[in-house]
Amino acid sequence: EAQVTQNPRYLITVTGKKLTVTCSQNMNHEYMSWYRQDPGLGLRQIYYSMNVEVTDKGDVPEGYKVSRKEKRNFPLILESPSPNQTSLYFCASSLTTGVQPQHFGDGTRLSIL
Amino acid sequence: GNSVTQMEGPVTLSEEAFLTINCTYTATGYPSLFWYVQYPGEGLQLLLKATKADDKGSNKGFEATYRKETTSFHLEKGSVQVSDSAVYFCALSDPEAAGNKLTFGGGTRVLVKP
Repeated sequence: EAQVTQNPRYLITVTGKKLTVTCSQNMNHEYMSWYRQDPGLGLRQIYYSMNVEVTDKGDVPEGYKVSRKEKRNFPLILESPSPNQTSLYFCASSLTTGVQPQHFGDGTRLSIL
Repeated sequence: GNSVTQMEGPVTLSEEAFLTINCTYTATGYPSLFWYVQYPGEGLQLLLKATKADDKGSNKGFEATYRKETTSFHLEKGSVQVSDSAVYFCALSDPEAAGNKLTFGGGTRVLVKP
């Protein structure tokens, strides 16, 4: 089954404790992206990757890091989480860029206390 | 920059009622337009899309027409079911923008009551 898998689904943690949210896709997609969803704001792009070892900032990259060492994986790293990063996070992938529908994971709800 | 505006919810309807969710956009290029649906506890799923003016996207009884003259992409369904209760997002993808970024509206929660 084609899917985008995120882990964990839920996490409550404290300010400053480094965390990583993993994202994996099994569709051999080149393009992957991270979004955060906040009430009334829709989804906003954090980082994206056009292919292995190619990453770039989206609209709200501050406080986040990413890496793309393998095509299937695109982890999101919060080196020193803060309460304003409490949000619902989605990983997405598509075959290429352009007019390609993106496939989304089921989301990761992070609470930073 | 690009932006998407959609009507705020929640929208509460009875089963078999007609649903319209308004969506308008601003874009510097010639975008593709999408509607995504998010069921409770799940990620976003593509509902329908349109890539050029006057295109009509349709799926599961939902329709939306790309109106360049009014920069709109309103979502409609003639007879909703309880299972249509979800959050609906209008989005655009601008081919001139870096990163295949989807620009989303704020989402509209729809609740269909039996």
